[in-house]
Amino acid sequence: GQNIDQPTEMTATEGAIVQINCTYQTSGFNGLFWYQQHAGEAPTFLSYNVLDGLEEKGRFSSFLSRSKGYSYLLLKELQMKDSASYLCAVRDSNYQLIWGAGTKLIIKP
Amino acid sequence: IAGITQAPTSQILAAGRRMTLRCTQDMRHNAMYWYRQDLGLGLRLIHYSNTAGTTGKGEVPDGYSVSRANTDDFPLTLASAVPSQTSVYFCASSGGRDTDTQYFGPGTRLTVL
Repeated sequence: GQNIDQPTEMTATEGAIVQINCTYQTSGFNGLFWYQQHAGEAPTFLSYNVLDGLEEKGRFSSFLSRSKGYSYLLLKELQMKDSASYLCAVRDSNYQLIWGAGTKLIIKP
Repeated sequence: IAGITQAPTSQILAAGRRMTLRCTQDMRHNAMYWYRQDLGLGLRLIHYSNTAGTTGKGEVPDGYSVSRANTDDFPLTLASAVPSQTSVYFCASSGGRDTDTQYFGPGTRLTVL
């Protein structure tokens, strides 16, 4: 079966750095996505990785290792508005997205 | 309209009733999707459409139907609602210049009693 694993919840301090991990086992791989979802709102796109390595976009970076079936999302200089759920999704051999359950990130002052 | 809209925002429905959730996008995206999101679970694909006139089944299609008569609209119908269909439903689309990314509507919160 296909499986995406992420921690259920993480807590971090304002101004700090946090790394949210995602491991996957899917039938084929055609890219990995990270989305942010604030409570009661729709998911919004953060990043996309299809090749191994680090993609940096402002305070957010995403890393991919295809051989390990592993990705992480790195959030720097945390702000209170970063409190949200972060969803990892892998596009499989059928070009459909398989979603993890999401990681709820709590930011404390 | 800018992006994707969904209607209604929320709905309480008696079991056995028929319900259509509406989704409209103005980005001229070819592909559209319907997901449900339940607590503790990832988004699960119900149905999708790669282009107007075609539809396909996702992971959890039973009890749902869709149509794609044109590029902009992708309604989801529950023929006879059951309590297990209580969920938040998101419509999404992808295509255009950034073909990889799915963009989501604001969601419909549906409660079936």
